[in-house]
Amino acid sequence: DAGVIQSPRHEVTEMGQEVTLRCKPISGHNSLFWYRQTMMRGLELLIYFNNNVPIDDSGMPEDRFSAKMPNASFSTLKIQPSEPRDSAVYFCASTHSRALRGEKLFFGSGTQLSVL
Amino acid sequence: AQSVAQPEDQVNVAEGNPLTVKCTYSVSGNPYLFWYVQYPNRGLQFLLKYITGDNLVKGSYGFEAEFNKSQTSFHLKKPSALVSDSALYFCAVRDRESGYALNFGKGTSLLVTP
Repeated sequence: DAGVIQSPRHEVTEMGQEVTLRCKPISGHNSLFWYRQTMMRGLELLIYFNNNVPIDDSGMPEDRFSAKMPNASFSTLKIQPSEPRDSAVYFCASTHSRALRGEKLFFGSGTQLSVL
Repeated sequence: AQSVAQPEDQVNVAEGNPLTVKCTYSVSGNPYLFWYVQYPNRGLQFLLKYITGDNLVKGSYGFEAEFNKSQTSFHLKKPSALVSDSALYFCAVRDRESGYALNFGKGTSLLVTP
């Protein structure tokens, strides 16, 4: 298995532009998580999907952030418009919810976002 | 609410010496506890987890962790550190009854010197 695949690996954009981050979870996994990592705040959960349905989006910082999971093999995290304070590493992680609470998460390599 | 605290931003240890990375947790119910490691420019990798049973959990790369319910701690340990163990280590918790996602600590940077 190729693991959780995120794209792009690096994104540099200008303030005000739309940014779309992409994630392909591990095949067979039905739970997907988006995390953001910064030096100041560490790892923060943004949103969690189960069976393609958003379960908890309380971590999404503002209305500028939105996430979708149109099918079991693809999710996007969109920021529109982007701001410099959105600069961070964004991680996607997946697992299977059959024993969710005891299951480990598998992380992608992350997208390093820089908003100038 | 569920949370973990990693009281040390950085831990320095000489190669060959034992290492400990500390973690304490706070959950309303019984916890599931995890340790992850992050190498530079990489995603997090699972090391070990405590679900139930033996309080001493063994994981990848010779790491182990001890669940201590009375002290609400889950410290990561290794008997003999390697330079290649230098990385960022994260403790995480999930509440058995109500949690879905993992809540991570802020991370501890481990530096093992030759």
